[in-house]
Amino acid sequence: DTEVTQTPKHLVMGMTNKKSLKCEQHMGHRAMYWYKQKAKKPPELMFVYSYEKLSINESVPSRFSPECPNSSLLNLHLHALQPEDSALYLCASSQDNTGRVEDTQYFGPGTRLTVL
Amino acid sequence: GQNIDQPTEMTATEGAIVQINCTYQTSGFNGLFWYQQHAGEAPTFLSYNVLDGLEEKGRFSSFLSRSKGYSYLLLKELQMKDSASYLCAVKVGQAGTALIFGKGTTLSVSS
Repeated sequence: DTEVTQTPKHLVMGMTNKKSLKCEQHMGHRAMYWYKQKAKKPPELMFVYSYEKLSINESVPSRFSPECPNSSLLNLHLHALQPEDSALYLCASSQDNTGRVEDTQYFGPGTRLTVL
Repeated sequence: GQNIDQPTEMTATEGAIVQINCTYQTSGFNGLFWYQQHAGEAPTFLSYNVLDGLEEKGRFSSFLSRSKGYSYLLLKELQMKDSASYLCAVKVGQAGTALIFGKGTTLSVSS
């Protein structure tokens, strides 16, 4: 089983709203990731959690706030977003982040976010 | 800086063979991945190379030359469902986890 689930599938929000994206995996993976993907562009890394601790933050604006409540769950809290933040938000997980193993990242289906 | 280059678009016909090239210049290297992404969907894992040589998985094969900073994905017996974007991604970073993606190659397969 290489399933990563994400909710919601679609989200429309105003610039003053607060919302959260959720990601879940039950593969025992210890690394989880958030990516942002604009149309016809490759995914761009936002955050990496390793063993439930934030290990990489790619200079993402503070209006995006990640949270890793436990090893299976990853949230992305959204507040005061801008229309240019509209994109597909992808969650991924991998077994281990030490670099010693293949460490393939498996992606969830994504949440398509529209900011009005 | 990190630079990964792929052709933007390719076309092919059903039953044919197509090779998608990827060249990279990155600060660090812990492996190269190929992903397939259909429009509006998530990327799905196709292959992984960390040592030089060819990895074969059914209709798909991937090759790596670390000294040349070069990889290719070979798709055989093309089917219409192979029409998708193919992303080359290099694993870099201190912990070896960050994936840097190329811009992707959109493959169109016609009958």
